[in-house]
Amino acid sequence: EDKVVQSPLSLVVHEGDTVTLNCSYEVTNFRSLLWYKQEKKAPTFLFMLTSSGIEKKSGRLSSILDKKELFSILNITATQTGDSAIYLCADGGSNYKLTFGKGTLLTVNP
Amino acid sequence: KAGVTQTPRYLIKTRGQQVTLSCSPISGHRSVSWYQQTPGQGLQFLFEYFSETQRNKGNFPGRFSGRQFSNSRSEMNVSTLELGDSALYLCASSLQGNLINSPLHFGNGTRLTVT
Repeated sequence: EDKVVQSPLSLVVHEGDTVTLNCSYEVTNFRSLLWYKQEKKAPTFLFMLTSSGIEKKSGRLSSILDKKELFSILNITATQTGDSAIYLCADGGSNYKLTFGKGTLLTVNP
Repeated sequence: KAGVTQTPRYLIKTRGQQVTLSCSPISGHRSVSWYQQTPGQGLQFLFEYFSETQRNKGNFPGRFSGRQFSNSRSEMNVSTLELGDSALYLCASSLQGNLINSPLHFGNGTRLTVT
C-alpha cells in the first residue's frame, strides 16, 4: 500500500524564520507529488512535482523532489503569520486518488 | 469562476441515522472525489467519479456510498451513522481526474458530528 510520511508533525517558528517541511513516500507507481496548504477548511493547491518537473518555486515558497531518495521538501523563507496552516503532502500516482500524509502544522508567531 | 461548493457546511446527526452530503464541482470539471478528514487519520480517500461512473473506491465500509449526476454534481451518503464517522468531509474536483495534468481543487467541506 502506498505510504506518505511527513515530518515534523508540528512546528512553531517566529516571523522571518525559514522553515523546511519534509515528505517521504513509498509508492509502487510514482507519477506526481503534490503539496497543499490548509488554513481553515479547503486545502489549496501549492505545487505538483513530477519526473519532468522536480523543482518548483512561487514567491517565498519552493519545493524539490528527489526521486532517487523518495522524498520532497517544502521550503518557506521569511515566514509570515499568514503562513500558519497545515501543509499536506500527497502522492498522486494511484488511480485517480491522492494518498495524503498526516500533515505538518506550522505556527508562525509574530 | 466559482469554486467547489459543498452543502451543508455543518451537520449534527444521531447514531443510526443516515446523511447525504452534496458537492457541485468547478464548472467544466468532470471528475469529483470525496475525502474524509479526521485528526487521527488525516485525509483519506473515499471515492472518485467521472461521467457518472465510480472509477475508484477507498477502504471504507459499504455504509459509505456516492453517486454523480449528468451535470457532474455529486452526492455522498452515509447510512447507519457511527460516532467514528464524525469528520470533515471534503469534496474535490478536477478536469478529468488525471492528477498529472490537473490537480484537485477542494471545497470547504461539510463538518459532520455524530452524537
